[in-house]
Amino acid sequence: ETGVTQSPTHLIKTRGQQVTLRCSSQSGHNTVSWYQQALGQGPQFIFQYYREEENGRGNFPPRFSGLQFPNYSSELNVNALELDDSALYLCASRWTPKDREETQYFGPGTRLLVL
Amino acid sequence: AQSVTQLDSQVPVFEEAPVELRCNYSSPVSVYLFWYVQYPNQGLQLLLKYLSGSTLVKGINGFEAEFNKSQTSFHLRKPSVHISDTAEYFCAGGTYGQNFVFGPGTRLSVLP
Repeated sequence: ETGVTQSPTHLIKTRGQQVTLRCSSQSGHNTVSWYQQALGQGPQFIFQYYREEENGRGNFPPRFSGLQFPNYSSELNVNALELDDSALYLCASRWTPKDREETQYFGPGTRLLVL
Repeated sequence: AQSVTQLDSQVPVFEEAPVELRCNYSSPVSVYLFWYVQYPNQGLQLLLKYLSGSTLVKGINGFEAEFNKSQTSFHLRKPSVHISDTAEYFCAGGTYGQNFVFGPGTRLSVLP
């Protein structure tokens, strides 16, 4: 049990639609990251939020966007869904001090299927 | 940019035999390394981590890993595996202030 929850667990959308995935982090964790895990692959970094501002982004287009809220919750929004967006989406939270890395704790993921 | 390689996509091993899952990383100045396990239809669970200090790291479920700076490796080992260890294992790493990078994963299959 990592203390990180995600909703919904499963979701089916059609191509062109928009989707919002939600994550609730551990209390006190000021950093949240989102990952996309396609079937049979390792997680790919989408972006990271630190104290409600995006401070890192992987190779994902702007139609992937996010928000982080003061209550330790966050959202991943994907516009204009494509078939290749079908994947398990993972959020991970951690407390980031100023001078070192700390462990990320992952939620169980949201499995998105785009038809 | 940091990269993480797991050369073995699948590792079959008999129950109670030892196992080693290999992980190599590219070499920035400082590095943090992790091993995660993923059971079917579940998220990622932390097995162990290397942040600094002793190069031999012990984790949960009897796993351990050794950080080898000269060989840029962080191989995962267990002296005796169980059927319940069957899962996907991911090596991951990063440096402070940079993106976290995962390897492609190794599927460990423990056979009776």
